[in-house]
Amino acid sequence: GNSVTQMEGPVTLSEEAFLTINCTYTATGYPSLFWYVQYPGEGLQLLLKATKADDKGSNKGFEATYRKETTSFHLEKGSVQVSDSAVYFCALISYGNKLVFGAGTILRVKS
Amino acid sequence: KAGVTQTPRYLIKTRGQQVTLSCSPISGHRSVSWYQQTPGQGLQFLFEYFSETQRNKGNFPGRFSGRQFSNSRSEMNVSTLELGDSALYLCASSGRQDYEQYFGPGTRLTVT
Repeated sequence: GNSVTQMEGPVTLSEEAFLTINCTYTATGYPSLFWYVQYPGEGLQLLLKATKADDKGSNKGFEATYRKETTSFHLEKGSVQVSDSAVYFCALISYGNKLVFGAGTILRVKS
Repeated sequence: KAGVTQTPRYLIKTRGQQVTLSCSPISGHRSVSWYQQTPGQGLQFLFEYFSETQRNKGNFPGRFSGRQFSNSRSEMNVSTLELGDSALYLCASSGRQDYEQYFGPGTRLTVT
């Protein structure tokens, strides 16, 4: 079946540090890939997406590239801020409108 | 454009009771999906409704059910509540581009 594996957290960084959160997937067919972010006490916000191989999704300084050869979709940001502290979820949709999520990675940014 | 709204935001119920949660999608969105989020199991898909019909279903027992109305609003019902049903229940809607799902703030259900 389809599955998503992302690096365990928490990830603790100082402000302005470089961020990478690793995500790999297993899926049949050609999935679309997503990163969602969840702030405390809130629902999920769509951060970025990519629908085919080599697509790069980007938003608010975050980027991720759909790598079919390594089945990966790693999230990166060049300079994190305290306000980026949240839980980040990698997810995919293959067949049907059903999102499959990774376990989530807690990011803590210290000032 | 207003986002996805869910009511109530918080709910406390007793084992054995039933509960109904409501979700209003973004205007114009016809697909509504429900997810359960728990610390142990993470985010799991419950079901999806499109044009008042269940289109996809996850691996949850029959105690979990849902429906969708002609205005695309959706409800989910959990009968005979168990302690393990305590979770954040998230609703998401999607429009023409099915694969982009937009989430509501969730309903936090506590079963005592």
